[in-house]
Amino acid sequence: QSALTQPASVSGSPGQSITISCTGTSSDVGSYNLVSWYQQHPGKAPKLMIYEGSKRPSGVSNRFSGSKSGNTASLTISGLQAEDEADYYCCSYAGSRVFGGGTKLTVL
Amino acid sequence: EVQLVESGGGLVKPGGSLRLSCAASGFTFSSYSMNWVRQAPGKGLEWVSSISSSSSYIYYADSVKGRFTISRDNAKNSLYLQMNSLRAEDTAVYYCARDIPPRKGMDVWGQGTTVTVSS
Repeated sequence: QSALTQPASVSGSPGQSITISCTGTSSDVGSYNLVSWYQQHPGKAPKLMIYEGSKRPSGVSNRFSGSKSGNTASLTISGLQAEDEADYYCCSYAGSRVFGGGTKLTVL
Repeated sequence: EVQLVESGGGLVKPGGSLRLSCAASGFTFSSYSMNWVRQAPGKGLEWVSSISSSSSYIYYADSVKGRFTISRDNAKNSLYLQMNSLRAEDTAVYYCARDIPPRKGMDVWGQGTTVTVSS
């Protein structure tokens, strides 16, 4: 159950697009289309942003999108806004569950 | 309103035990798999355990296997985590979270309960 690999930090200016990668193995990300992404603001509970690789829950902005290629999943946020500044975590089903280490998004 | 409310956290000495509870409301609890996820201070999210809707399937992270026990009472709309032989590294905020079936993501989270293991 090794953690998925995410960049520690990414940054972008308002209005720009950024992509956060999540690299696993053929036993987790590569085997299942069951990657989910979570946004967490300081002191708050995580919030589901993307599930089943690319689907958005009701109420989540269409500026958030998910994709996968091989063993790497990606979260793209377009039209960056100040309120997008948060920590983001990927998670994959792998028989059990495994999270990525998290990425801190800074909106410049 | 769909809601999960955790309770039972607190300060416990190394080697001690604690039982966390998660009360569900606003949805048919018995239809969903549930999870416990924890977050150590200043660290990332760590999946701890999952239980299927009828308790037929139970999974644990290697870090807690043999020490923690997940269970549920569908009649009481409640999820539990019995934590034994606690260690300093178990110090964390513990969240319960609902699964989008089957295993597609965790769409409802509680506010978390804090467990501190210290002498």
